[in-house]
Amino acid sequence: KAGVTQTPRYLIKTRGQQVTLSCSPISGHRSVSWYQQTPGQGLQFLFEYFSETQRNKGNFPGRFSGRQFSNSRSEMNVSTLELGDSALYLCASSLLGTANTGELFFGEGSRLTVL
Amino acid sequence: KNEVEQSPQNLTAQEGEFITINCSYSVGISALHWLQQHPGGGIVSLFMLSSGKKKHGRLIATINIQEKHSSLHITASHPRDSAVYICAVTVYNTDKLIFGTGTRLQVFP
Repeated sequence: KAGVTQTPRYLIKTRGQQVTLSCSPISGHRSVSWYQQTPGQGLQFLFEYFSETQRNKGNFPGRFSGRQFSNSRSEMNVSTLELGDSALYLCASSLLGTANTGELFFGEGSRLTVL
Repeated sequence: KNEVEQSPQNLTAQEGEFITINCSYSVGISALHWLQQHPGGGIVSLFMLSSGKKKHGRLIATINIQEKHSSLHITASHPRDSAVYICAVTVYNTDKLIFGTGTRLQVFP
């Protein structure tokens, strides 16, 4: 079956712009979580959605937001981009969430560069 | 102090060697994950553990809940095992993950 698909894979933006990233989970998976990976901070949890509801949120400013649609596809948005937002953004899907069934399936990531 | 600590940060091995990567955590967890990340970014989940031991091929993962410690072992290492190995924990009663900083493994032929 198809894996987790993230689009776009690469993008370049300038400071002050906004960006929207998309994640299509594995068919049947209802939980989608988002992560930021930078060389300095490593992997950090952004948020997790289940059945269109945000269930968990990490320690990121309100410029980072997301949503999930009825088909479980998810988007995350970063507004007023800063240089420090340059990162690899990863999403992962799981059947019911890591607290329940555990296994995570990751997408290839969207690499964002902010100039 | 990070809530999830991994050691060593870097590891170099000859093909065929037995490798151990350690992970300690300080929060209550419902699960611990071992992940593998190859250059280019893609992450693969190797194991999810809540107790005991699991084995997939040459990979073995163990967890000691009382000691808040887990180990990932690779038997008969191979150059294709070269990657970054990341320990992550699911915080108890949530779906939040906290990640270790990763262990960069290089296996030479």
